[in-house]
Amino acid sequence: EAGVTQSPTHLIKTRGQQATLRCSPISGHTSVYWYQQALGLGLQFLLWYDEGEERNRGNFPPRFSGRQFPNYSSELNVNALELEDSALYLCASSLAAGQGKPLHFGNGTRLTVT
Amino acid sequence: GESVGLHLPTLSVQEGDNSIINCAYSNSASDYFIWYKQESGKGPQFIIDIRSNMDKRQGQRVTVLLNKTVKHLSLQIAATQPGDSAVYFCADYLTGFQKLVFGTGTRLLVSP
Repeated sequence: EAGVTQSPTHLIKTRGQQATLRCSPISGHTSVYWYQQALGLGLQFLLWYDEGEERNRGNFPPRFSGRQFPNYSSELNVNALELEDSALYLCASSLAAGQGKPLHFGNGTRLTVT
Repeated sequence: GESVGLHLPTLSVQEGDNSIINCAYSNSASDYFIWYKQESGKGPQFIIDIRSNMDKRQGQRVTVLLNKTVKHLSLQIAATQPGDSAVYFCADYLTGFQKLVFGTGTRLLVSP
């Protein structure tokens, strides 16, 4: 069974540009989560999608947005990029949302903003 | 939780020793807990989970202990191997907020 896949692996953008990151969940998983991991830091919750709807978002500005498609894949968009947006962006998926269902992570997209 | 970045807590052990990694969580409403292992350049990998109605759960070479009274979680790794070297995160599920909150992480270094 394929795990969570993310693309691209690396992305280099300049300040002010927009970035689009993509995620394909494990087959059968309907929930997709996005986390930001700045260099050497822990994981900060960004967004949670389930059944095509945004269910929760973390403490990030509105220029961080995303969506979930009917096939449960997801994309994360970051507008007006700032230098501090440089980080590893991790996508995770789980079976239907709720307690007791572990998240399974992809290997992330490394975004570098110059 | 927030990591302290370059000051990530580090546990150094010898190959074959048992390792204990500790984690404190803050929200008494948390009722599901997971340990993840993150190797350099990779995403976090699920190790073991435990629900709040349990105080101990065992897997292959790993044991998780939960003390709800003091809001403390620990991961025990038996016969630690060099391949266990990684950063370990605990995470707790925040009921009502529907999100997994990660702890600061502990770097485990295993020397042969």
